[in-house]
Amino acid sequence: DTEVTQTPKHLVMGMTNKKSLKCEQHMGHRAMYWYKQKAKKPPELMFVYSYEKLSINESVPSRFSPECPNSSLLNLHLHALQPEDSALYLCASSRSTGELFFGEGSRLTVL
Amino acid sequence: ILNVEQSPQSLHVQEGDSTNFTCSFPSSNFYALHWYRWETAKSPEALFVMTLNGDEKKKGRISATLNTKEGYSYLYIKGSQPEDSATYLCASLSDDYKLSFGAGTTVTVRA
Repeated sequence: DTEVTQTPKHLVMGMTNKKSLKCEQHMGHRAMYWYKQKAKKPPELMFVYSYEKLSINESVPSRFSPECPNSSLLNLHLHALQPEDSALYLCASSRSTGELFFGEGSRLTVL
Repeated sequence: ILNVEQSPQSLHVQEGDSTNFTCSFPSSNFYALHWYRWETAKSPEALFVMTLNGDEKKKGRISATLNTKEGYSYLYIKGSQPEDSATYLCASLSDDYKLSFGAGTTVTVRA
């Protein structure tokens, strides 16, 4: 069983909706990540938080807004998304530059 | 973002046979190479993190080698079993601490 929990597992939203994806880990990891993955493509890094501060933003559109309320939680706020944003969103955590521990992902469909 | 390539994209193996596949990555600014196994409907799980040229790691019937000078890694599965069916992702960590993934090799083991 993964020690990184993502909710919801599936989300369907319209282009005018506001929704959030949530990620939680209790392993004491201080780095947390959001990746986006489309079918048959590599997971693409979106954001990295290190010690609750945003350290990497891979030029992600502002309709995606990350938030790290504390060391265990990572959110991804979604607003005014486009159908091409439909993908699997993976959250991960790590101690530093070691292996990543992934959640099972949130499957997002934008209508 | 590094250009990490994996080949083949997919392969089918008869139960009991051995197989291997490749990950290539830019050798400049290299820091570490990760391998993950991703079973359907589960989260990616780390198999190996490798840093040293010539390194070889083993976990059960699965092993990996690393050549940082020429920028490639091989993953080997010995005596494939149905439970080895999964997508195997490699990822290269550069010295700016960004982990870039390949698209994966999907292995199907036929009983």
